[in-house]
Amino acid sequence: AQSVTQLGSHVSVSEGALVLLRCNYSSSVPPYLFWYVQYPNQGLQLLLKYTSAATLVKGINGFEAEFKKSETSFHLTKPSAHMSDAAEYFCAVSDLGTGRRALTFGSGTRLQVQP
Amino acid sequence: NAGVTQTPKFRVLKTGQSMTLLCAQDMNHEYMYWYRQDPGMGLRLIHYSVGEGTTAKGEVPDGYNVSRLKKQNFLLGLESAAPSQTSVYFCASSQGLDTDTQYFGPGTRLTVL
Repeated sequence: AQSVTQLGSHVSVSEGALVLLRCNYSSSVPPYLFWYVQYPNQGLQLLLKYTSAATLVKGINGFEAEFKKSETSFHLTKPSAHMSDAAEYFCAVSDLGTGRRALTFGSGTRLQVQP
Repeated sequence: NAGVTQTPKFRVLKTGQSMTLLCAQDMNHEYMYWYRQDPGMGLRLIHYSVGEGTTAKGEVPDGYNVSRLKKQNFLLGLESAAPSQTSVYFCASSQGLDTDTQYFGPGTRLTVL
């Protein structure tokens, strides 16, 4: 079974600072990994996904993530935080081999951006 | 394109009452899902459907039932609501490949007193 762990339930950065949100996965097969963002009182929106092509994946709003097999990680980064980035971020892994095509989510990281 | 829509947006129930949450998608997706979101636990899969007329259990199915009579609709029912079912419920849909993006609705916030 696949699983993901997000380190840090809350992260606070200053506007203009680097954003780093951590995600580690556990999978017995090569995983497909996703990052979703949830703005207050809204549904989840896809930021980016890794599907075994390039290990460095670029997403929307200037975010990117790098798949590192040796570290079983898929950390999300953005060089310069903007106030509009304040949201909750979820890392997820596809349930491979189950036929469900569902996602297993991490517990989420709430990003706060200070002016 | 409306994408994925959910009704209602908010609901308050008393213990033992029943209700149905409706999810609709206009993307002709085969797969549909119901998740619940609780603080500190991310999203957990309740039930899912791989096509019209099919349903299956996810990780936390107890106390819920679902139906998919039409491809575009996926209904989630609570027969006898309990306070433990207080949560935010999200519906999602996808084309059905492991690499596919899931598209989420705006959620339903349910409180059971």
